[in-house]
Amino acid sequence: DVKVTQSSRYLVKRTGEKVFLECVQDMDHENMFWYRQDPGLGLRLIYFSYDVKMKEKGDIPEGYSVSREKKERFSLILESASTNQTSMYLCASSLSGTDLVAMNTEAFFGQGTRLTVV
Amino acid sequence: AQTVTQSQPEMSVQEAETVTLSCTYDTSENNYYLFWYKQPPSRQMILVIRQEAYKQQNATENRFSVNFQKAAKSFSLKISDSQLGDTAMYFCAFMGYNNNDMRFGAGTRLTVKP
Repeated sequence: DVKVTQSSRYLVKRTGEKVFLECVQDMDHENMFWYRQDPGLGLRLIYFSYDVKMKEKGDIPEGYSVSREKKERFSLILESASTNQTSMYLCASSLSGTDLVAMNTEAFFGQGTRLTVV
Repeated sequence: AQTVTQSQPEMSVQEAETVTLSCTYDTSENNYYLFWYKQPPSRQMILVIRQEAYKQQNATENRFSVNFQKAAKSFSLKISDSQLGDTAMYFCAFMGYNNNDMRFGAGTRLTVKP
């Protein structure tokens, strides 16, 4: 059973704080993703990693950075939290695209972190 | 980058009836995956159904089926015999075989009424 675990379900932080959101997966997946979910906007990709130390910007990377030092862990960092970063954050992981086909599988999600910046 | 469009923010259906959710996408890739995910009020995202672009046959999973029109870049989800437990947000998603960044649509909130 694949598990994607996000470190916190709810988080409240102050404006200007440095915030770390952690995500761990236990299925040796190459791909890991961070999304932001807002009503009416769906899931917007912040950053994507296809291997250790590799990262690619998604659609809304401004104000965020990521770290992937180990294959199982993908961290999202808000360098200086602002109120407009109040949102639901979802982490996901998957095999690489060609392996997805071979294994007939999909991306798996964590339970989400509701971040409030005050 | 790929884009995914869901044009129906909200839909409702009576229990036991059939409903179709729409999704269109834009890509220059020829090989890709399409997904429908469900997010119940409890928030955990779960897969409903997947479709590989190279397969002409539409995917089916019990009461869920898709109408995949590759030329039109359309990927709709049909839910037959709707159940109260189908009430959720439904998201359409795209992943390329080579560019693995996965993109989602804005979602459709489906309510099944008793």
